[in-house]
Amino acid sequence: DIQMTQSPSSLSASVGDRVTITCQASQSISNYVAWLQQKPGKAPKLLIYGASTLQGGVPSRFSGSGSGTDFTLTISSLQPEDFATYYCQQSYTIPTFGQGTRLDIK
Amino acid sequence: QPQLQESGPGLVKPSETLSLTCSVSGDSFNSFSYYWGWVRQPPGKGLEWIASIYYSGTTYYNPSLKSRVTMSMDTSKKEFSLKLSSVNAADTAVYYCVRGGSATELYAMDVWGQGTKVTVSS
Repeated sequence: DIQMTQSPSSLSASVGDRVTITCQASQSISNYVAWLQQKPGKAPKLLIYGASTLQGGVPSRFSGSGSGTDFTLTISSLQPEDFATYYCQQSYTIPTFGQGTRLDIK
Repeated sequence: QPQLQESGPGLVKPSETLSLTCSVSGDSFNSFSYYWGWVRQPPGKGLEWIASIYYSGTTYYNPSLKSRVTMSMDTSKKEFSLKLSSVNAADTAVYYCVRGGSATELYAMDVWGQGTKVTVSS
């Protein structure tokens, strides 16, 4: 299985901050990475696929980058509704997820 | 986009078989481009992929669960199902059904059901 190592596991930030979450794959996976957002008690929501393509309806303050083994999710200016848990997920082979990054208010 | 709705018992006894169904409304179920799957999330923990199935009937299972999992689909009812045998407390989780995107979306899981909580307990 391909392991996805996500960091940090938790993060405190303020509204307006720029935030970066990283994900490292245990082997090269090209750009087969998605980023998902999950709010408490809700199903995950797809934000980005193909490492950098924004899913329809997702605000442009979200962006993704990377290829190969190293990937990044960036939120350019945090909004109150962005406080949630974020997961990376690879679809290069059978799917695996990162362990999640909990983003909360400082 | 389609809507997905999970159904099944919320309580299963240890050693028994967990059975869940996902009903799909809207388009894309009969498309060879997409796949359908199950993902679970134990309380307070992360996401774990369980299984996927294509319209062709081809299935893929998580190696750690493969001996206990069966996934199937009923195209006439626009439903797909999960069976997990010999359950134990570690199988307690919220179970989500998902749609996997096409090659254009690099197979990302783009549609999720609301989730159904399953507790394994006697």
